[in-house]
Amino acid sequence: GENVEQHPSTLSVQEGDSAVIKCTYSDSASNYFPWYKQELGKRPQLIIDIRSNVGEKKDQRIAVTLNKTAKHFSLHITETQPEDSAVYFCAARRFYGGFKTIFGAGTRLFVKA
Amino acid sequence: EAQVTQNPRYLITVTGKKLTVTCSQNMNHEYMSWYRQDPGLGLRQIYYSMNVEVTDKGDVPEGYKVSRKEKRNFPLILESPSPNQTSLYFCASSSEGGVAFFGQGTRLTVV
Repeated sequence: GENVEQHPSTLSVQEGDSAVIKCTYSDSASNYFPWYKQELGKRPQLIIDIRSNVGEKKDQRIAVTLNKTAKHFSLHITETQPEDSAVYFCAARRFYGGFKTIFGAGTRLFVKA
Repeated sequence: EAQVTQNPRYLITVTGKKLTVTCSQNMNHEYMSWYRQDPGLGLRQIYYSMNVEVTDKGDVPEGYKVSRKEKRNFPLILESPSPNQTSLYFCASSSEGGVAFFGQGTRLTVV
């Protein structure tokens, strides 16, 4: 079946450094790729998303890139801060043929002050 | 305030005792879905619904049922819960545009 692989599973960076999380998906019909941040004990919340007709999207310190040919997309966080510490999930979804959404297993990001 | 509300937040039950977790959204979203979250496995989709009376299986539907009789409600039913259904459950809703809003989560323990 379809799957989304996410790497790394754990990432530790120094405050101010950049963090990159990578995902690869298998369903070539996927055309929507959201990223969620989940703080301890809380619900996942959308931080950025990208659609298949766009190669890159940026929102302040967060950016996402998409390579549809390689079925690969990445989350980039610049100038990391301790409050960025959380678990991040990527997901892939198709708009047509259903609403099935496949999530990656998550990346636990630690930002050390 | 736009929100997705799940109840209960915490539930401990015994094997075989039927239970229902409710989910309600006030954003008039067509799409709703249920996920379970287990350590190291991320979020796995159980069932989803594209509109009233339209539901389909996600990746891990075994042991679960859903219904969508009204647009705002999407309850998750465990007819005969087993210990391997101990997990953290999230309901989510979204418009056709795709952004999903999650409920607060329901932590279920089956003993």
